[in-house]
Amino acid sequence: GNSVTQMEGPVTLSEEAFLTINCTYTATGYPSLFWYVQYPGEGLQLLLKATKADDKGSNKGFEATYRKETTSFHLEKGSVQVSDSAVYFCALSPYGGATNKLIFGTGTLLAVQP
Amino acid sequence: DAGVTQSPTHLIKTRGQQVTLRCSPKSGHDTVSWYQQALGQGPQFIFQYYEEEERQRGNFPDRFSGHQFPNYSSELNVNALLLGDSALYLCASSPTIYPQETQYFGPGTRLLVL
Repeated sequence: GNSVTQMEGPVTLSEEAFLTINCTYTATGYPSLFWYVQYPGEGLQLLLKATKADDKGSNKGFEATYRKETTSFHLEKGSVQVSDSAVYFCALSPYGGATNKLIFGTGTLLAVQP
Repeated sequence: DAGVTQSPTHLIKTRGQQVTLRCSPKSGHDTVSWYQQALGQGPQFIFQYYEEEERQRGNFPDRFSGHQFPNYSSELNVNALLLGDSALYLCASSPTIYPQETQYFGPGTRLLVL
């Protein structure tokens, strides 16, 4: 079946540190991959996406590359800020499915300290 | 341009009651999906509506039902509420049903069942 596995949090970093949040997936075919972010008390916001192998999604300094050979879509940022503190969700939309439903990982809490 | 809107923002019900949650999709979007996010977990897909029909359903009991109106807005109904139904209910919309399309989320309705 289709599933997403994320590294468990919380991830605690100092401001300007390098961030990596690992995400691996299991899926048939070639799913689309997404990172969503959830700030405290809010809904989900799309952060970035990639729809085919070797695509790199990027937004607001965050990047993730669709790696088919390792079935991974790790999120990275070179220098985090306090305002990046949130829960980050990796998700996939199965290729060939009837709809664009999303399958999410359990989320990774990022806490950035000044 | 308004994004996805949901009402109410918060709701408290008791076991056995019924609840209706509402969602208006982003302008230009005709597909609405509903997700349940339990505390500390990733969202779980409930079902998706397109052209006023339920197109796909996740692993949720028949107590969960929905409807889509001609203006593309949608309702989620939950009957015979259980304590375990306490969660954040998220609505997402997209311009079409196809797997490549990104879903945009509303702020959610937080339901507490006592």
